[in-house]
Amino acid sequence: GNSVTQMEGPVTLSEEAFLTINCTYTATGYPSLFWYVQYPGEGLQLLLKATKADDKGSNKGFEATYRKETTSFHLEKGSVQVSDSAVYFCALKGYQKVTFGIGTKLQVIP
Amino acid sequence: EAGVVQSPRYKIIEKKQPVAFWCNPISGHNTLYWYRQNLGQGPELLIRYENEEAVDDSQLPKDRFSAERLKGVDSTLKIQPAELGDSAVYLCASSLQDRSYEQYFGPGTRLTVT
Repeated sequence: GNSVTQMEGPVTLSEEAFLTINCTYTATGYPSLFWYVQYPGEGLQLLLKATKADDKGSNKGFEATYRKETTSFHLEKGSVQVSDSAVYFCALKGYQKVTFGIGTKLQVIP
Repeated sequence: EAGVVQSPRYKIIEKKQPVAFWCNPISGHNTLYWYRQNLGQGPELLIRYENEEAVDDSQLPKDRFSAERLKGVDSTLKIQPAELGDSAVYLCASSLQDRSYEQYFGPGTRLTVT
């Protein structure tokens, strides 16, 4: 079946540091890939998506590129802010179902 | 626009007791999902509705869990009787039928079974 593997957290960074959260996947066919974010006390929100190989999803300064050759979809941001502190979930959508990773907690300190 | 509403936000019950969770999706979203999220894990789908029809309930433990979406809008998820292992956050999400990749999640109900 489909699966998503993402780095365990927590990840602690200073404000303005560069962020990378790794995500790799296993899937049959050609899944769509996503990053969701969950801020404290809130529901998950779609952050960005990519629907085919080499697509780059971007939103709020975050980017991720769909790499079919390495089955990866790493999340990056050039300069994180305290307000980016949240849990980030990598996910893929196969035929009908969305499969989520375990989530990576990011803590940004001033 | 109102988001997905869930209630209650927290529930503590003793094992063997029943419990129910309620969800009101975003207006116009005909697809509704119930997920369970264990501590330190990602959400796992329990059941998916298209309007009032349950189209994927393969992961729903049917011996103790039940769900309904009678008028294709609100939904209720029930556990009877609850077990210690049911302690988790129960998430409801909704989407447009042809945009299932863009799901909108409620804040969840945190269930603790003692």
